Amino acid sequence: AQSVTQLDSHVSVSEGTPVLLRCNYSSSYSPSLFWYVQHPNKGLQLLLKYTSAATLVKGINGFEAEFKKSETSFHLTKPSAHMSDAAEYFCVVSAGYSTLTFGKGTMLLVSP
Amino acid sequence: DAGVIQSPRHEVTEMGQEVTLRCKPISGHNSLFWYRQTMMRGLELLIYFNNNVPIDDSGMPEDRFSAKMPNASFSTLKIQPSEPRDSAVYFCASSFSAANEKLFFGSGTQLSVL
Repeated sequence: AQSVTQLDSHVSVSEGTPVLLRCNYSSSYSPSLFWYVQHPNKGLQLLLKYTSAATLVKGINGFEAEFKKSETSFHLTKPSAHMSDAAEYFCVVSAGYSTLTFGKGTMLLVSP
Repeated sequence: DAGVIQSPRHEVTEMGQEVTLRCKPISGHNSLFWYRQTMMRGLELLIYFNNNVPIDDSGMPEDRFSAKMPNASFSTLKIQPSEPRDSAVYFCASSFSAANEKLFFGSGTQLSVL
């Protein structure tokens, strides 16, 4: 069985400040973990993917995420937010041969 | 490649009517997924196909929902009869394989059942 919990439904930051979106997972096997982003009225787009290589994963648009097995976490970060980062972000887990399980999403709001 | 193509982008219908949503996956992808997104439930997997064969339809809410994939380049999701609680955004996605793979999403169909 696998599940993912996004700890915040909304996160508000000011432009130029750091972003932290939190995600915890559970899985019976070594997981693959993903972050997807969804801009308004658009489909989801892959930001980054972890599959048991380096624990710090770099993605597109300056985002990165760190896999911490001891904490079962896969938090998404960015050093400096842009207005264009405002979107909904989904943490996703997959283990064994199962399909992806999506979190409920975190809405990132960026103010000028 | 144009990506995953869904049609229509918006559908407004009355309760009891039949609704058909369409999807064209990315050429060469072996797996196709139908998801439903609502505020209450988030993103739910309805059904997925591998090599045009339905593998897991346990997410299909009830018998009113059906999905087909007659060939590698086309899939439909049908709701008959539709109900107001079916109102949601329906996404189609495709990937090279079913598990542990990057999904490519279409832009979705916004369905409103009045």
